[in-house]
Amino acid sequence: KQEVTQIPAALSVPEGENLVLNCSFTDSAIYNLQWFRQDPGKGLTSLLLIQSSQREQTSGRLNASLDKSSGRSTLYIAASQPGDSATYLCACSRTGASYDKVIFGPGTSLSVIP
Amino acid sequence: SQTIHQWPATLVQPVGSPLSLECTVEGTSNPNLYWYRQAAGRGLQLLFYSVGIGQISSEVPQNLSASRPQDRQFILSSKKLLLSDSGFYLCAWRRGGGYNEQFFGPGTRLTVL
Repeated sequence: KQEVTQIPAALSVPEGENLVLNCSFTDSAIYNLQWFRQDPGKGLTSLLLIQSSQREQTSGRLNASLDKSSGRSTLYIAASQPGDSATYLCACSRTGASYDKVIFGPGTSLSVIP
Repeated sequence: SQTIHQWPATLVQPVGSPLSLECTVEGTSNPNLYWYRQAAGRGLQLLFYSVGIGQISSEVPQNLSASRPQDRQFILSSKKLLLSDSGFYLCAWRRGGGYNEQFFGPGTRLTVL
């Protein structure tokens, strides 16, 4: 059974700081890993999708890496801004008979202080 | 482009009343569809997913059910709501196969009193 964890659960940083969010998964047989952002009371917005054959993906100030062998992914946010404050979730899609299932981590709540 | 809709946006229901939440997707065909619940301060719990019309996989035993009467329509139902059914319900879609990106709707906030 795939389990996804995220560390830290909450993070508060001053504006302008670079930061790293961590995601771990127990079963390395995944198709992909996706990072999302959720603002309070809203749905999830897709940030980055990393296929199992890729090592990283970049979009603007965001960079996500994937290490399947160790069961880890990181989301790097450069030069953080108050608008980055949100909950960040990672999710992965398993290979095998249950490949249509997507399992989420509990999220990291990020607060960027002006 | 693809769009996913959920309604209602908010709902307040008494314990024991029925429930029907609807999700529709535009701009794609034969999507995989998902229902998640997010309880206060907790992560996303996968409730149901569907790979085609009439094909429903249930992840968590509970008093909820799901149906897919049309290709791009996914409905979450209950005959009698419990207090513990309160939460934020999210519908999502993605193209079939494990490699594809998942997209979410705006969610429905359900409060059971």
